[in-house]
Amino acid sequence: DGGITQSPKYLFRKEGQNVTLSCEQNLNHDAMYWYRQDPGQGLRLIYYSQIVNDFQKGDIAEGYSVSREKKESFPLTVTSAQKNPTAFYLCASSIEPDSGGGEAFFGQGTRLTVV
Amino acid sequence: AQSVTQPDIHITVSEGASLELRCNYSYGATPYLFWYVQSPGQGLQLLLKYFSGDTLVQGIKGFEAEFKRSQSSFNLRKPSVHWSDAAEYFCAVGAGGSNFGNEKLTFGTGTRLTIIP
Repeated sequence: DGGITQSPKYLFRKEGQNVTLSCEQNLNHDAMYWYRQDPGQGLRLIYYSQIVNDFQKGDIAEGYSVSREKKESFPLTVTSAQKNPTAFYLCASSIEPDSGGGEAFFGQGTRLTVV
Repeated sequence: AQSVTQPDIHITVSEGASLELRCNYSYGATPYLFWYVQSPGQGLQLLLKYFSGDTLVQGIKGFEAEFKRSQSSFNLRKPSVHWSDAAEYFCAVGAGGSNFGNEKLTFGTGTRLTIIP
């Protein structure tokens, strides 16, 4: 079945460490996104990528980095510069509406906790 | 800049009662509008979407939403809720037409729905 796979589901990180969250999709979607979710704040966009080898900052990119070397993969690195990284992270992908899409498809999320 | 307002943080309804979740958006051109549902600790699932055409759209799980351009609203409704509908609901707006991909999806802060017996 096609879909978006995020791993791991739970992740613990010590302060000062970088950590990478995986996101893989087999939907053949061009666009991919990373969102951060905190209670009462909805979803906030961290980074997005419309094509391979290209990505743009979202609203809260500071302390995060991404890469898009393959169409299927869009990993997110939470760096030590991110002051408050404990959150629920969601990856999504989408295609253009003219191709029958427009909506974002989401993975099951990764809950990151800094210990 | 586009924005979405969900004025109700938390709604409680009785099982079998009707439901309406409010969503107001701000966008200068033709918007694409979405409703998503999220169960605790899970990703978001699309309930329905509006791109153009009939302003009353039907979605999964018996939900529907009506686009009212004059009120900049896209409220979600269900005639009779089930206990399994308890979840968090998010409204989102995206850029339509040629602007797709150049502007991101913007989400509201969500409405948590509690169902009581």
